[in-house]
Amino acid sequence: GAVVSQHPSRVICKSGTSVKIECRSLDFQATTMFWYRQFPKQSLMLMATSNEGSKATYEQGVEKDKFLINHASLTLSTLTVTSAHPEDSSFYICSARERGRWGNTIYFGEGSWLTVV
Amino acid sequence: AQKITQTQPGMFVQEKEAVTLDCTYDTSDPSYGLFWYKQPSSGEMIFLIYQGSYDQQNATEGRYSLNFQKARKSANLVISASQLGDSAMYFCAMREGDFGNEKLTFGTGTRLTIIP
Repeated sequence: GAVVSQHPSRVICKSGTSVKIECRSLDFQATTMFWYRQFPKQSLMLMATSNEGSKATYEQGVEKDKFLINHASLTLSTLTVTSAHPEDSSFYICSARERGRWGNTIYFGEGSWLTVV
Repeated sequence: AQKITQTQPGMFVQEKEAVTLDCTYDTSDPSYGLFWYKQPSSGEMIFLIYQGSYDQQNATEGRYSLNFQKARKSANLVISASQLGDSAMYFCAMREGDFGNEKLTFGTGTRLTIIP
């Protein structure tokens, strides 16, 4: 089946630094990737949707300059948390839509636990 | 307004019984898709079942079935013969939009606990 790999699975960074999370489709091309944030015991909140080769569409309330999303190729999207603060600590998870296929062709990565100290 | 509503924050069910998890949705898009995911404590999202808005029959996948009532805008998940391993968070999600501008949004989830 289609596999989405997310890296790193866990990361600890110091307050004020930036951290990059990668979302990679391993055996398919992804025209669209979704980035979510999930706080403990809460739902997945859509942060932004990125389409290959174009700028990401951010949800209301999500700071574009803080959460930089790049979707430079059909197999890779990255989320960079800039100038991270402890309140950015969360579970971040991506999903990818398989190119040219509709219906049930959205696949999730394993997620990344970010801790900012 | 909430796009996806899951009204059951938590449920306790006896092992081997059937369980229904509720989900209602709100959209004006004639073409949409409904998903159910299971999330164990490890965090991964496990796909369970999918229903397209134009699908004539209710979706089934093994012990999972989706009770799709389009006029009522509900898409309840039914798990037959529950097992201890079914204990987890369950999320209903809806896909709206078309290629290039689609969105996948989630409900608040239901924590299901199976009792031996």
